[in-house]
Amino acid sequence: EPEVTQTPSHQVTQMGQEVILRCVPISNHLYFYWYRQILGQKVEFLVSFYNNEISEKSEIFDDQFSVERPDGSNFTLKIRSTKLEDSAMYFCASSARPGQGNTGELFFGEGSRLTVL
Amino acid sequence: AQRVTQPEKLLSVFKGAPVELKCNYSYSGSPELFWYVQYSRQRLQLLLRHISRESIKGFTADLNKGETSFHLKKPFAQEEDSAMYYCAPTNSGYALNFGKGTSLLVTP
Repeated sequence: EPEVTQTPSHQVTQMGQEVILRCVPISNHLYFYWYRQILGQKVEFLVSFYNNEISEKSEIFDDQFSVERPDGSNFTLKIRSTKLEDSAMYFCASSARPGQGNTGELFFGEGSRLTVL
Repeated sequence: AQRVTQPEKLLSVFKGAPVELKCNYSYSGSPELFWYVQYSRQRLQLLLRHISRESIKGFTADLNKGETSFHLKKPFAQEEDSAMYYCAPTNSGYALNFGKGTSLLVTP
């Protein structure tokens, strides 16, 4: 069964450093998402991406963050100048269709744990 | 403001007992509603969605527009149901917004 894969599973970085989290969505999916979960808190939406552009983003997704689909398979989240409060589990998800009408189920990766020291 | 509330952080029931995980939402328009589940050491996955009106693993959820609720129910809980459950409405067409989640513990 196809799965969303994420790398790395855990990354430790120093405050101020740049981090790139990578995701390989399910191959025939068209919609991609990043969510994050700070320890003990809820899963928060960051951004959705379709047709090579951001389709929706939350207030959390400020200029510190960017997403890219550099090739036909990867979907990356870049965090510039990391802060302590960026420490969280970051989940990538993909869907064949958007979540409306004939709903597109979101398929999640196992997450990348980011620890900022 | 769009909001989803799962009032119980932790719900503990005995095996075979009925279980209800509460979800209330405050959304404009006609949102779609989902329940996602995360079992221990597994990824988040869809449990059920309101438009399909299906029963998955014995769970059902009825959308009550008058009470703006989408509670998840199962008549007889099993130990393997122990997991984190997230209610997730969407009105955007793209993004799911998750509630804080309810941790369900089913004890023998």
